[in-house]
Amino acid sequence: DAKTTQPPSMDCAEGRAANLPCNHSTISGNEYVYWYRQIHSQGPQYIIHGLKNNETNEMASLIITEDRKSSTLILPHATLRDTAVYYCIVRVWSNAGNMLTFGGGTRLMVKP
Amino acid sequence: KAGVTQTPRYLIKTRGQQVTLSCSPISGHRSVSWYQQTPGQGLQFLFEYFSETQRNKGNFPGRFSGRQFSNSRSEMNVSTLELGDSALYLCASSLSPQGPGELFFGEGSRLTVL
Repeated sequence: DAKTTQPPSMDCAEGRAANLPCNHSTISGNEYVYWYRQIHSQGPQYIIHGLKNNETNEMASLIITEDRKSSTLILPHATLRDTAVYYCIVRVWSNAGNMLTFGGGTRLMVKP
Repeated sequence: KAGVTQTPRYLIKTRGQQVTLSCSPISGHRSVSWYQQTPGQGLQFLFEYFSETQRNKGNFPGRFSGRQFSNSRSEMNVSTLELGDSALYLCASSLSPQGPGELFFGEGSRLTVL
């Protein structure tokens, strides 16, 4: 699976959009980009995933660059409850199974 | 519907003992995977089970083992506990090992080895 690079930490003001970047310059054509987050002392929570096109759900938007070498997770109106570690993962889906390789993630601190 | 349930939530053991952790996946989910989380190593994949068969295994010693039952519930066992086994052990379930679906994680079992 391709390696990802994320900033170790970011701050965001409550109510503002949080834009979390992820570099995955070695991503291959059949690898998906996934985002999970982990709130302190809880299990990771799935947020969103995409292959090529931008994706949006009730939690967030995922913007993938045209060359797919990077992506941005957007939380449109961050709240204090969005304070968490956010993990960007690239993964090829095959019959190889569900193994995810977590990096260090970005610790997002939403401030009042 | 109920989420992934892990038991026990917290436990304390001493070096040399063994421990068994349990995971009940979301109803209808047949794939269960296990992860270890420590402050030093972060989240690391342990193994994955589907239809009672281990499909993948991470880079952990043989002291770490697991199994899956016909109802998809899974257990993992760690024998001859070491201090470094102190960690949060997370279980995740999904419908199947194939397809671009998401994993649903439980709250974890926090093991402390003294």
